[in-house]
Amino acid sequence: QLVLTQSPSASASLGASINLTCTLSSGHIKYAIAWHQQQPEKGPRYLMKLKSDGSHSKGDGIPDRFSGSSSGAERYLTISSLQSEDEADYYCQTWGTGILVFGGGTRLTVL
Amino acid sequence: EVQLVQSGAEVKKPGESLKISCKASGYRFTNYWIGWVRQMPGKGLEWMGIIFPGDSDINYSPSFQGQVTISADKSASTAYLQWSSLKASDTAMYYCARGASYFPTSGYSPEYFQHWGQGTLVSVSS
Repeated sequence: QLVLTQSPSASASLGASINLTCTLSSGHIKYAIAWHQQQPEKGPRYLMKLKSDGSHSKGDGIPDRFSGSSSGAERYLTISSLQSEDEADYYCQTWGTGILVFGGGTRLTVL
Repeated sequence: EVQLVQSGAEVKKPGESLKISCKASGYRFTNYWIGWVRQMPGKGLEWMGIIFPGDSDINYSPSFQGQVTISADKSASTAYLQWSSLKASDTAMYYCARGASYFPTSGYSPEYFQHWGQGTLVSVSS
């Protein structure tokens, strides 16, 4: 079964960097994912597509502070030079034949 | 510019029917998958289903199969999500979202969402 696992919460200080992790289920470790950001009281926004080789393509207007990388079943979203507006929920998403799956989301708090 | 504009908030009673809409512009409506996502209060995103407007091929999440109906009107470049009998547990924000890739037919599997609508809040209460 295609499943994405995310930690429920994360926190880091203003100006610091953080890695958010999304883990693919066994048997699906080569799958690409997408990262989406949802700021408080707003709709989701597409951040990037991230492949198993770590290559990624970002959406229009996404700052350079956002990047992605991969290792095995893990897909990472790295946010550097954290700003207050980065405080949000982050969701990973993947897809199989005829199905789409979201991870449970990680709530990022910027201290 | 790709835009997905959803219909306004709805307040309904249990047992009532409802159809909400998502009007697309800025791209060729028939050749991109467009899907629906539920977000219950304080919860995460749940994929409900997705439609390829070119031929109305639809994939439903097993969790929502039989609970909702997804459709699209090519002439109006609009996708729809409807319920025949609402329940209080349908109270949620509903988002439409467009797939990332152009496909000539529905024979290509939907991928990730690249554009999102602003959301439609549905409240169901007696």
